[in-house]
Amino acid sequence: GAVVSQHPSWVICKSGTSVKIECRSLDFQATTMFWYRQFPKQSLMLMATSNEGSKATYEQGVEKDKFLINHASLTLSTLTVTSAHPEDSSFYICSARVRGWYGYTFGSGTRLTVV
Amino acid sequence: GDSVTQMEGPVTLSEEAFLTINCTYTATGYPSLFWYVQYPGEGLQLLLKATKADDKGSNKGFEATYRKETTSFHLEKGSVQVSDSAVYFCALSDQGNNRLAFGKGNQVVVIP
Repeated sequence: GAVVSQHPSWVICKSGTSVKIECRSLDFQATTMFWYRQFPKQSLMLMATSNEGSKATYEQGVEKDKFLINHASLTLSTLTVTSAHPEDSSFYICSARVRGWYGYTFGSGTRLTVV
Repeated sequence: GDSVTQMEGPVTLSEEAFLTINCTYTATGYPSLFWYVQYPGEGLQLLLKATKADDKGSNKGFEATYRKETTSFHLEKGSVQVSDSAVYFCALSDQGNNRLAFGKGNQVVVIP
């Protein structure tokens, strides 16, 4: 149980375009979701925390207008990278806190390459 | 703030060798501690966890004990396999701040 499905697993886009990444909780309700960014051979950097039905809370230094997060339901959160540039190329991972269980489950990640 | 420190550098060892990855933490409250594993190109999978002092988490032959007196949560496995090659992250979560703090991770390479 407590599975988060993230897709796409990889995407290549042109500079200036927008890309949407989805994370769905398949068998539980995710009241809180976290979005991370991971650079090669580095740890995960928390970008933002989203709670269902409210605005996301962004970490210092993360541009909220560039990384749009929507958590409209208890089973779906999306991250949209707007006007992507090559420096946005990275591995993005979502995570959900499972209601009623003190733990976290992670999506399989999305490799974004902006050319 | 809360933080996690993992030993520096990758770990390379032979199959059936003993593995230890050190993890220490700093936290103001009473955190839960986790080890996550990441295989190439994938997200993180929970390996084991411990929620209070002296708890031992275990899974797939891996173990880690929550040591409050030394603020540590070292990961151990008695006999590694090639399939254990991955990156291992130590993490903590304080109930007060509702988020995970990760260590930098350790690349483990097991040679046949």
